[in-house]
Amino acid sequence: GENVEQHPSTLSVQEGDSAVIKCTYSDSASNYFPWYKQELGKRPQLIIDIRSNVGEKKDQRIAVTLNKTAKHFSLHITETQPEDSAVYFCAASIRYSTLTFGKGTMLLVSP
Amino acid sequence: GAVVSQHPSWVICKSGTSVKIECRSLDFQATTMFWYRQFPKQSLMLMATSNEGSKATYEQGVEKDKFLINHASLTLSTLTVTSAHPEDSSFYICSAKQGGNSPLHFGNGTRLTVT
Repeated sequence: GENVEQHPSTLSVQEGDSAVIKCTYSDSASNYFPWYKQELGKRPQLIIDIRSNVGEKKDQRIAVTLNKTAKHFSLHITETQPEDSAVYFCAASIRYSTLTFGKGTMLLVSP
Repeated sequence: GAVVSQHPSWVICKSGTSVKIECRSLDFQATTMFWYRQFPKQSLMLMATSNEGSKATYEQGVEKDKFLINHASLTLSTLTVTSAHPEDSSFYICSAKQGGNSPLHFGNGTRLTVT
């Protein structure tokens, strides 16, 4: 089955800096890659997703890149703010079926 | 947008009792719902896939007789933790999607504490 690795497990940045979280996947058939943000005790919220026919997608301060050949994808957050502090999960699936999640990255943005 | 409601948000029960958790898709029909379990500071682990009108598909290592799943309608799936034990204490989250090529949306989760 699919295996998703996520790094780093924790990431501390200063407000205004950029943050990058990286994930790799094992199943070359995977073609859908969402990113979720989870605040403490709350539900994961979809923040951005990308499909395998696209190499990059941007939404304001958030961007995701996908390298199908290398089987890795990354989340980029620019101009980080304290409210960006949360746990971020990457995931992969085949044709929007069952998602396999990475282990999560705790992002801490210091004012 | 797609809204998934989960109830209760938290529950405390005694060992040996059963607890039922409900997951509803409020503004769409979901033929498939998913149940996840999340331990503190860990990732979401898929427990089972709930299919409307048929038996749920359980992941390896998940006891189907302990975690009973019923998906009787297109808007409701339930997870019953039977004969709960302290090790069942966890955060349980359901999720659903509107159709084949749509994102997954999560319920607000249920924090179960078994004393």
